Amino acid sequence: EIVLTQSPATLSLSPGERATLSCRASQSVSRYLAWYQQKPGQAPRLLIYDASNRATGIPARFSGSGSGTDFTLTISSLEPEDFAVYYCQQRSNWPDTFGQGTKLEIK
Amino acid sequence: QVQLVESGGGVVQPGRSLRLSCAASGFAFSSHGMHWVRQAPGKGLEWVAVIWSDGKKQKYADPVKGRFTISRDNSKNTLYLQMNSLRAEDTAVYYCARESNYGGKSYFDYWGQGTLVTVSS
Repeated sequence: EIVLTQSPATLSLSPGERATLSCRASQSVSRYLAWYQQKPGQAPRLLIYDASNRATGIPARFSGSGSGTDFTLTISSLEPEDFAVYYCQQRSNWPDTFGQGTKLEIK
Repeated sequence: QVQLVESGGGVVQPGRSLRLSCAASGFAFSSHGMHWVRQAPGKGLEWVAVIWSDGKKQKYADPVKGRFTISRDNSKNTLYLQMNSLRAEDTAVYYCARESNYGGKSYFDYWGQGTLVTVSS
């Protein structure tokens, strides 16, 4: 099973700042990686698929990059509604696996 | 609009069974693979099972293999998860999720709000 390791576990930033979240895979997943946002008490929401493509309705301040084993989710200028937990997911190999999450909190 | 509504959660004793349902609306249910994903309290996401759009193939995560069964009724637009021999470690919010093809791989583009399963004596 492919293990996804996200860092940092918690990121404390202020609105307007840039956020950079990392996801590292234990073996190559090519570009078959997604990012999800989850707010308290809500279901996850798809943000990015195939490492760098924004899902429908996702603001342009969200961008993804990377391939192989190293991936990054960047939020260019944080809005108050962006503070949440972010998960990466690989769909390269069975079984599907998720990272443990990065909590983005208000500083 | 796309809606996925889970039901069937509750408190159950270890070793007992429970069946979850996920009612789908607003899209062509029979055209999409469907998944169950769970989240233990305060923890991350764990994929549980998938069923192909026609219901003919299923796959399971190792922790639930042999105990859980995913199924669907495309005439009723409903997804199911039959959970047998439940254990304390199965305690979680269970989400159903739709997968959609994005030109190569498929990703989980819609999720239900989840139903809580608590396994406790």
